[in-house]
Amino acid sequence: DIQMTQSPSTLSASVGDRVTITCRASQSISSWLAWYQQKPGKAPKLLIYKASSLESGVPSRFSGSGSGTEFTLTISSLQPDDYAIYYCQQYKSYSFGQGTKVEIK
Amino acid sequence: QVQLQESGPGLVKPSQTLSLTCTVSGVSISSGGYYWSWIRQHPGKGLEWIGYIYYSGSTYYNPSLKSRVTMSVDTSKNQFSLKLRSVAAADTAVYYCARNLAAAGPFDSWGQGTLVTVSS
Repeated sequence: DIQMTQSPSTLSASVGDRVTITCRASQSISSWLAWYQQKPGKAPKLLIYKASSLESGVPSRFSGSGSGTEFTLTISSLQPDDYAIYYCQQYKSYSFGQGTKVEIK
Repeated sequence: QVQLQESGPGLVKPSQTLSLTCTVSGVSISSGGYYWSWIRQHPGKGLEWIGYIYYSGSTYYNPSLKSRVTMSVDTSKNQFSLKLRSVAAADTAVYYCARNLAAAGPFDSWGQGTLVTVSS
């Protein structure tokens, strides 16, 4: 069973800030990692797949990096629409991280 | 553009079977190339993958739920379904259907989700 651990659980940031979220896997998952954004009452939305590939239509301020067991999601300049919960997910066996809430500072 | 829509009872009694259907539009399930999943989210909590099905009927379930889960596909209606047996309050969640880009692939399209409450 592959465990995914995100940090931090909550992040307070201002518009324009650079934001970084970390996701660690309990064993190597190569680059089989995705990032999702979820807003209240909505389904998650795919942002990044294969650790660093940007999903079509997703703003370029979002980027992903990493391989093996450590991964990051970076928002280069936080926008008002970006306040949400972010989840990482490994798709070797489909487990998700516990989520990181990005809130207004 | 693919769209997915969950349907089914919003209230299920303990020990009974939860049954949900996902209707897909914009792409034919039988065209292949995609896998079709169910994912749930307990209230205020994180996400849990339940399992996926391919158009051929082949399935792969989360080991933690495998003993209680059955998925099926109806290509004539462009639908796939979930049955979860012997439910308890811990199965109360928002249930989503979603599309995988591959057997080992991310979920690129999701339904809006449906809340299922297990209560007598």
